[in-house]
Amino acid sequence: EDQVTQSPEALRLQEGESSSLNCSYTVSGLRGLFWYRQDPGKGPEFLFTLYSAGEEKEKERLKATLTKKESFLHITAPKPEDSATYLCAADNYGQNFVFGPGTRLSVLP
Amino acid sequence: SQTIHQWPATLVQPVGSPLSLECTVEGTSNPNLYWYRQAAGRGLQLLFYSVGIGQISSEVPQNLSASRPQDRQFILSSKKLLLSDSGFYLCAWSPRTGTSYEQYFGPGTRLTVT
Repeated sequence: EDQVTQSPEALRLQEGESSSLNCSYTVSGLRGLFWYRQDPGKGPEFLFTLYSAGEEKEKERLKATLTKKESFLHITAPKPEDSATYLCAADNYGQNFVFGPGTRLSVLP
Repeated sequence: SQTIHQWPATLVQPVGSPLSLECTVEGTSNPNLYWYRQAAGRGLQLLFYSVGIGQISSEVPQNLSASRPQDRQFILSSKKLLLSDSGFYLCAWSPRTGTSYEQYFGPGTRLTVT
């Protein structure tokens, strides 16, 4: 069965303290790995798509990387406004994405 | 640019009452459309997806149904709500053609069944 897990479940950082979020996937075939940011009470906001192992994408303080089994979302010098839940999802060539449960990030000033 | 709308934003309904949630997309044609439900602290569960007008696929058995009366309109319905239908409902779209597969989400509807 296709599955996506994320760790940690929750992460608290001080402002400026860099860290990484993990997304592990087990799918029969990967067409793409997606990262989203979700603020409380809002819909997920698309961040990145990664298609092949070794690929990297960057946006401001965020960098996403992909291996054959995992994806990492690196957050460099985070700010309080980076606080949100980060979701990853795997497209297994089906009609739907397999979503992970998310990592809840809190950045304290 | 493309925009996706959902309404209402919040809804409180008694058990046994009907439901109708609406989603519309602007700025694109022939999108794939999706309904998800997100329970508190849990991941997104796909409920329905549609690749065209009148074409609906259901992912999980439930007392909900979906319809797509127009190309960019997707409706989620129920004849009689259950307590377990409470949750955050999200509509999403993705391009039907091309090499881009990401899904774009609407703002969501918070449904509380009392």
